[in-house]
Amino acid sequence: AQTVTQSQPEMSVQEAETVTLSCTYDTSESDYYLFWYKQPPSRQMILVIRQEAYKQQNATENRFSVNFQKAAKSFSLKISDSQLGDAAMYFCAYRSAQGGSNYKLTFGKGTLLTVNP
Amino acid sequence: EAQVTQNPRYLITVTGKKLTVTCSQNMNHEYMSWYRQDPGLGLRQIYYSMNVEVTDKGDVPEGYKVSRKEKRNFPLILESPSPNQTSLYFCASGRTRANYGYTFGSGTRLTVV
Repeated sequence: AQTVTQSQPEMSVQEAETVTLSCTYDTSESDYYLFWYKQPPSRQMILVIRQEAYKQQNATENRFSVNFQKAAKSFSLKISDSQLGDAAMYFCAYRSAQGGSNYKLTFGKGTLLTVNP
Repeated sequence: EAQVTQNPRYLITVTGKKLTVTCSQNMNHEYMSWYRQDPGLGLRQIYYSMNVEVTDKGDVPEGYKVSRKEKRNFPLILESPSPNQTSLYFCASGRTRANYGYTFGSGTRLTVV
């Protein structure tokens, strides 16, 4: 079974600075997807960024980018120019691309990000 | 607007009183799923459905039922709720053959006393 580990329960960053959230995963599959979800106090689960395992190029979405290291099974999220609205719980998630584990998302336990003004 | 609609947002009930949490999506997604979120545990899958009349257990199915009579609806049923089912519940839908992630509902905070 796949597992996702987020080793940082909490992180803080100063407004306008850069922060990196860590995520590692364990799988025997070669074809899969990785995601970062954001959960603000409104508790809505918002997709931030996604990465296909077959792509070597790291995904970027505006101020959000990932560092995907397939051999190391690492998938960190970098937030540049942090804003107060970035404060939230961030979840790393894994999903098989070929139907393994019933297409479910396997989540890490989350990292609570605080942004200080 | 493409969305997953869950109701209710908040629910307080007593042990043993049957309840249903509704979930509806307007994106014609085949795949729908229920998760529960508990502090320190992340989100765990309860049940999922690959299509109409096709449902199966996830990781934590005990005490829950689901049905998929129509493509858009996937209700979660607690026939005899217990306090250990107090949690935050999310419905999600998506396409399994594409990497667009899943769309989540806004969550249902359930308290069983």
